[in-house]
Amino acid sequence: DTEVTQTPKHLVMGMTNKKSLKCEQHMGHRAMYWYKQKAKKPPELMFVYSYEKLSINESVPSRFSPECPNSSLLNLHLHALQPEDSALYLCASTPGQGDSNSPLHFGNGTRLTVT
Amino acid sequence: AQSVTQLGSHVSVSEGALVLLRCNYSSSVPPYLFWYVQYPNQGLQLLLKYTSAATLVKGINGFEAEFKKSETSFHLTKPSAHMSDAAEYFCAVSVADSWGKLQFGAGTQVVVTP
Repeated sequence: DTEVTQTPKHLVMGMTNKKSLKCEQHMGHRAMYWYKQKAKKPPELMFVYSYEKLSINESVPSRFSPECPNSSLLNLHLHALQPEDSALYLCASTPGQGDSNSPLHFGNGTRLTVT
Repeated sequence: AQSVTQLGSHVSVSEGALVLLRCNYSSSVPPYLFWYVQYPNQGLQLLLKYTSAATLVKGINGFEAEFKKSETSFHLTKPSAHMSDAAEYFCAVSVADSWGKLQFGAGTQVVVTP
């Protein structure tokens, strides 16, 4: 079982839809991450939140909009996506963003398909 | 900047045989090194990590890895493969002050044959 919970597990959306991915952790971690993973590839960092503030945006298109309502929750709002955005979206957390020796705790991801 | 290279995108081992997955890193400062495993339709799970303490690191599920600075390597081994070890394995590196930016290798797919 993972301590980082992601919902939904699967999502199919059209290119004109608006949807949101949710992530929740109750480990008291203060850094939360969004990763995108294409099939047979390693995860790619999208966003990092540290103490509920966006600290890293890896030049992600504006059709992806992250939000951190509180220290336990992380959302990723999706709008006007393209078929190439279909991927596994992973949420992760660490005690603090500056803890480079702390491993990432991953959720099981949301499998997104854009039609 | 730091990086990792995983040698072999696909490894096939017989059940009961040695599992050896190779990872070489590049870093101008002391690295922190990690091995993660990803089972189908799941997220990544930490197997073990090296953070400058003991060079031989033991992890979960019988895996271990040895940090060799002279060879810039952090290879993952398991003496006897089990069918449940079939998964994708990722080596990753970070350094102090990298602010959460973990660099992953390309991954190695392990297949275990009976």
